[in-house]
Amino acid sequence: QSVLTQPPSASGTPGQRVTISCSGSSSNIGSNVVNWYQQLPGTAPKLLIYSNNQRPSGVPDRFSGSKSGTSASLVISGLQSEDEADYYCAPWDDSLNGWVFGGGTKLTVL
Amino acid sequence: QITLRESGPTLVKPTQALTLTCTFSGFSLSTSGVGVGWIRQPPGKALEWLAVIYWDDDKGYSPSLKSRLTITKDTSKNQVVLTMTNMDPVDTATYYCARTTMTLFDYWGQGTLVTVSS
Repeated sequence: QSVLTQPPSASGTPGQRVTISCSGSSSNIGSNVVNWYQQLPGTAPKLLIYSNNQRPSGVPDRFSGSKSGTSASLVISGLQSEDEADYYCAPWDDSLNGWVFGGGTKLTVL
Repeated sequence: QITLRESGPTLVKPTQALTLTCTFSGFSLSTSGVGVGWIRQPPGKALEWLAVIYWDDDKGYSPSLKSRLTITKDTSKNQVVLTMTNMDPVDTATYYCARTTMTLFDYWGQGTLVTVSS
């Protein structure tokens, strides 16, 4: 059971906008930056968003992130079939003195 | 080009210890701010952070597994070693190593599946 809460699943049709939420507490999201990782089927996780809303080089600008209080969100605009993957939020947790990962959200492109 | 690769046994017996090696290239673990961490993922489940070691030899462990984990580095060989004692079938997972800079894991290895079974 993770200290971060993500919806287990999300879905959308090509071109749609999808939002994935991540709810935490004052010791993690509330006091630290949030990173998001994308895990395509059968592959290792890949850094998608860092420091709440920054995209690494090569990540399309249809991926965006935000944070407010103890919650964070990942938005995918203009959904594409290749976006079908698992998505994880991951901030540092001051109480645990380590990283925590959300339970993951499986995104299905219908 | 930064790469990381995990190596170690694919099968361990219950109560045995697991030793995994992360061999990396394209960066140095003597560079300020750089670290290497281990993260695992049981089949069909979420990611779980295990341990991290930094350029200055500072270390961090998951509180729930701290008593069973040891992480070390060999800067000259560009390797980080994770040892987990008293393995149990619930420890069956894909184990990843990843580079960390500040607050994120920016490069990941491909992972290695470790099965715990008698």
